Amino acid sequence: AQKVTQAQTEISVVEKEDVTLDCVYETRDTTYYLFWYKQPPSGELVFLIRRNSFDEQNEISGRYSWNFQKSTSSFNFTITASQVVDSAVYFCALSNSGYSTLTFGKGTMLLVSP
Amino acid sequence: DVKVTQSSRYLVKRTGEKVFLECVQDMDHENMFWYRQDPGLGLRLIYFSYDVKMKEKGDIPEGYSVSREKKERFSLILESASTNQTSMYLCASSLSTGPYYEQYFGPGTRLTVT
Repeated sequence: AQKVTQAQTEISVVEKEDVTLDCVYETRDTTYYLFWYKQPPSGELVFLIRRNSFDEQNEISGRYSWNFQKSTSSFNFTITASQVVDSAVYFCALSNSGYSTLTFGKGTMLLVSP
Repeated sequence: DVKVTQSSRYLVKRTGEKVFLECVQDMDHENMFWYRQDPGLGLRLIYFSYDVKMKEKGDIPEGYSVSREKKERFSLILESASTNQTSMYLCASSLSTGPYYEQYFGPGTRLTVT
């Protein structure tokens, strides 16, 4: 069975601090995709990134970076120089083979205070 | 941009009522999904559909049914609402079948059953 674990339920930081959100996954598939979504207070989940199982290259997009390590089954998300607008719930998700369904972690609530 | 809309942001219903939650996407996506989101439990898949008139059960289908008569519209039905169905309901769509495609989410419907 597929599983995604986000061990951090809530993280609080002060603006400009760096913060890393952890994601550990379990799957028996050899080909799979990992995703991160952001859910701001407005409620709508927003897609941030997709990574396939054969591409372990880290990715950077502005203040956001992602570290995929197949050896530890982890796909961690780092926000550099956090801002108040980064306050949201962040979900890590794993694709399921066959249909386009996703297994989501329980989410990490990030609170960035001024 | 993909637009997923849900008929109501907030809904209050009485126990035993039949409840319809409507979702519409405007990008000709093949797949549509219904989730419920509860504190501490993350997103759980109720039902999904990969084609018109086709449906598949997700992880928690009990107490729910769905209808997809047109490609752009996916309805979630609570045949006889109960208080334990008080939750945030999220609709999503994705372009096609396969693990590669990200899902696009609507703003959610917060349903309260009294």
